Amino acid sequence: SAVISQKPSRDICQRGTSLTIQCQVDSQVTMMFWYRQQPGQSLTLIATANQGSEATYESGFVIDKFPISRPNLTFSTLTVSNMSPEDSSIYLCSVEWAVYNEQFFGPGTRLTVL
Amino acid sequence: GIQVEQSPPDLILQEGANSTLRCNFSDSVNNLQWFHQNPWGQLINLFYIPSGTKQNGRLSATTVATERYSLLYISSSQTTDSGVYFCAVSGGGADGLTFGKGTHLIIQP
Repeated sequence: SAVISQKPSRDICQRGTSLTIQCQVDSQVTMMFWYRQQPGQSLTLIATANQGSEATYESGFVIDKFPISRPNLTFSTLTVSNMSPEDSSIYLCSVEWAVYNEQFFGPGTRLTVL
Repeated sequence: GIQVEQSPPDLILQEGANSTLRCNFSDSVNNLQWFHQNPWGQLINLFYIPSGTKQNGRLSATTVATERYSLLYISSSQTTDSGVYFCAVSGGGADGLTFGKGTHLIIQP
């Protein structure tokens, strides 16, 4: 089975700064997604990372706050910009292959903003 | 968008007991998945089951798409089954998942 990795696995950041999270898959995938899991809550979809074009954001999430790149079929980044303590969450990427309709998740990035 | 409701929100059982977790959804779906989130936050895929019945060891799942619900059965529970179980759905082929709030399961020795 494919390996999905995220970097960093965890970080502690100061308010007002930005953090870029990387998601790498060891095989080409059709779809890549980014989710947020706030403390004690369920997962919420942030956006669909589209290869070679702008990401598609869900209601309540904007590109200025969460810019996303997907330069190829195996890699994507999510930046959390101008962070505040409310951004403290686990951020997870997920992937989907064309032959399956099932999503698989990376290990997550645990972010704490002070 | 599609609404997903899971029940019960919390469940405490003794080791060896059986349990049934329920997921109701508000519209037709083409993807329904069950996940187990372990204490380290990792999401483990349990079942991809937009319809029908599947079994994997002590776990099984059934989705009745026409009635918009899915059930996850855990038999002979072990302490390692503890954690949060999520149901997630999507309505389209290229859509992200909408998650329920989860069932927090605690298995006591």
